[in-house]
Amino acid sequence: EAQVTQNPRYLITVTGKKLTVTCSQNMNHEYMSWYRQDPGLGLRQIYYSMNVEVTDKGDVPEGYKVSRKEKRNFPLILESPSPNQTSLYFCASTGRGTEGYTFGSGTRLTVV
Amino acid sequence: KQEVTQIPAALSVPEGENLVLNCSFTDSAIYNLQWFRQDPGKGLTSLLLIQSSQREQTSGRLNASLDKSSGRSTLYIAASQPGDSATYLCAVPSNAGGTSYGKLTFGQGTILTVHP
Repeated sequence: EAQVTQNPRYLITVTGKKLTVTCSQNMNHEYMSWYRQDPGLGLRQIYYSMNVEVTDKGDVPEGYKVSRKEKRNFPLILESPSPNQTSLYFCASTGRGTEGYTFGSGTRLTVV
Repeated sequence: KQEVTQIPAALSVPEGENLVLNCSFTDSAIYNLQWFRQDPGKGLTSLLLIQSSQREQTSGRLNASLDKSSGRSTLYIAASQPGDSATYLCAVPSNAGGTSYGKLTFGQGTILTVHP
């Protein structure tokens, strides 16, 4: 089944403790992105990647890092999480041409 | 910068009604437009994808239209059911630095409630 897989689904952590949210797609897509969703602010893009080793900032990149060492994986790294990064996070991917975007099931992160 | 607006923000209808959700975008140079459904606290499910060369797409009781020149799309839901209750989001890819498909810009969504 074609899908984007995020892990974990739920995560509670403490301020300053580094964490990684993994994202993997099995569709051989070039483009991958991370979004966060907050009440009243909607979905905002954090980072995106156009291919292996090619990444760029989205609208809200502060406090996040990404890497794209393999085509299928695009982890999101929070080096020193803060409470304002409490949010629902989504990973998405798309290929070239006529495909739309496929989203993962989301990761609900709480930073206390 | 691409901006996407959805109207209405919320809609409450009795079961069986036909309804229309609206989406407008400021930059008409889009490659396609995608409609999603999101249940509370859940992920995004793709409903329909309309390419820039198309006028409409249909899937079951759903029909989406696209008018690029006026920067508008509508999602038509026929014979609504309580199971249709969800948030509906439209999104367009933005052309970032000459690269397509790099960014997806979302509207704020329409929260739909269908009463039995």
